[in-house]
Amino acid sequence: DAGVIQSPRHEVTEMGQEVTLRCKPISGHNSLFWYRQTMMRGLELLIYFNNNVPIDDSGMPEDRFSAKMPNASFSTLKIQPSEPRDSAVYFCASSLSRMGTYEQYFGPGTRLTVT
Amino acid sequence: GESVGLHLPTLSVQEGDNSIINCAYSNSASDYFIWYKQESGKGPQFIIDIRSNMDKRQGQRVTVLLNKTVKHLSLQIAATQPGDSAVYFCAVSSMYSGGGADGLTFGKGTHLIIQP
Repeated sequence: DAGVIQSPRHEVTEMGQEVTLRCKPISGHNSLFWYRQTMMRGLELLIYFNNNVPIDDSGMPEDRFSAKMPNASFSTLKIQPSEPRDSAVYFCASSLSRMGTYEQYFGPGTRLTVT
Repeated sequence: GESVGLHLPTLSVQEGDNSIINCAYSNSASDYFIWYKQESGKGPQFIIDIRSNMDKRQGQRVTVLLNKTVKHLSLQIAATQPGDSAVYFCAVSSMYSGGGADGLTFGKGTHLIIQP
């Protein structure tokens, strides 16, 4: 299995531009999570989906952030417009939620730099 | 909400010694606990997990201890090796009746440094 796949691995953009991060979860997994990591705030949960349905988006910082999961094998996190304070590493994780096991597998992350 | 506290941002140990990394959580309703290892430039990697109906679980060279009374979690690594150098995070979640688990609340992490 290839694991969780994220693209791009690095993104540099100017303030005000739209940014779209992509994630392909592990095949067969039914939950998908988006996290953000910064030095100041550590790893923070942004939003997660169960069976393609958003369950909790309370971690999404503001309306500039949106996430979609149109099918079981693809999700996007969009920032529009981007700001320098959005610079961080964004991780996608997936899990197969079933009784007894809830391990989340993380992708390699997308390092976003907004100038 | 949940908050997960860090006891020590950096821990330096001699190669071959045992390491203990500690973590505290605030929400007594939390019932699922995980330790992750993160190497530079990579995503967090699962080490071991434990549910609230247990107080100890062992893996290969690792042991997780859970004390629900004081809301404390620890990770013990036996006979540390150079490859154990990384940042270690504890993470806390709650399982819901639908059979899944909520998103994870992470601690700030402990940087484990292995001295030769």
